[in-house]
Amino acid sequence: DAKTTQPPSMDCAEGRAANLPCNHSTISGNEYVYWYRQIHSQGPQYIIHGLKNNETNEMASLIITEDRKSSTLILPHATLRDTAVYYCIVRFPLGTDSWGKLQFGAGTQVVVTP
Amino acid sequence: DADVTQTPRNRITKTGKRIMLECSQTKGHDRMYWYRQDPGLGLRLIYYSFDVKDINKGEISDGYSVSRQAQAKFSLSLESAIPNQTALYFCATSYSPGGNQFFGPGTRLTVL
Repeated sequence: DAKTTQPPSMDCAEGRAANLPCNHSTISGNEYVYWYRQIHSQGPQYIIHGLKNNETNEMASLIITEDRKSSTLILPHATLRDTAVYYCIVRFPLGTDSWGKLQFGAGTQVVVTP
Repeated sequence: DADVTQTPRNRITKTGKRIMLECSQTKGHDRMYWYRQDPGLGLRLIYYSFDVKDINKGEISDGYSVSRQAQAKFSLSLESAIPNQTALYFCATSYSPGGNQFFGPGTRLTVL
């Protein structure tokens, strides 16, 4: 199963774009990249996911490199409420016994400042 | 998300006591999960269930047991609580194995 590497923390100014990197160099061809976030002690919240193509929804954009070894989550206009721990997760591939499970790492603590 | 509820939200107990944490969902999802979170760490999977008759161990199932009483209910039990089971516990549900997981608000458990 692919593991992910994220910086432990980063700061972002309110109103600016926050770019959160994630390395997943051992990802296999049928594994998706998921992003969740956890606001202090609350349950994690789904943000976005993708396989190969870039994805965008009302919360964020996900940019996956062509070789799929890394990705970037973009919060286009960060607000104070975006302060949270952000988890990049590579989901176990379809067909394996672990399909459906999420393996959380330590994530990136993002602090948005005024 | 109010569709996934956990009770109790906070619990303090003593070593050796039996504790049950309950999770209920109104999302109609077949799949339910129990995770624990320790300070500064990500979530670790304890048990998961893909339907009422299916129970599977996760990464850290020792010391825990579960019961899937119905599609909407999934309970986690600590038969004899110990201090290193002090943690934040989350229940989650999903529509399919590949579907997004929806998390409850968490139960903060302290074992003295």
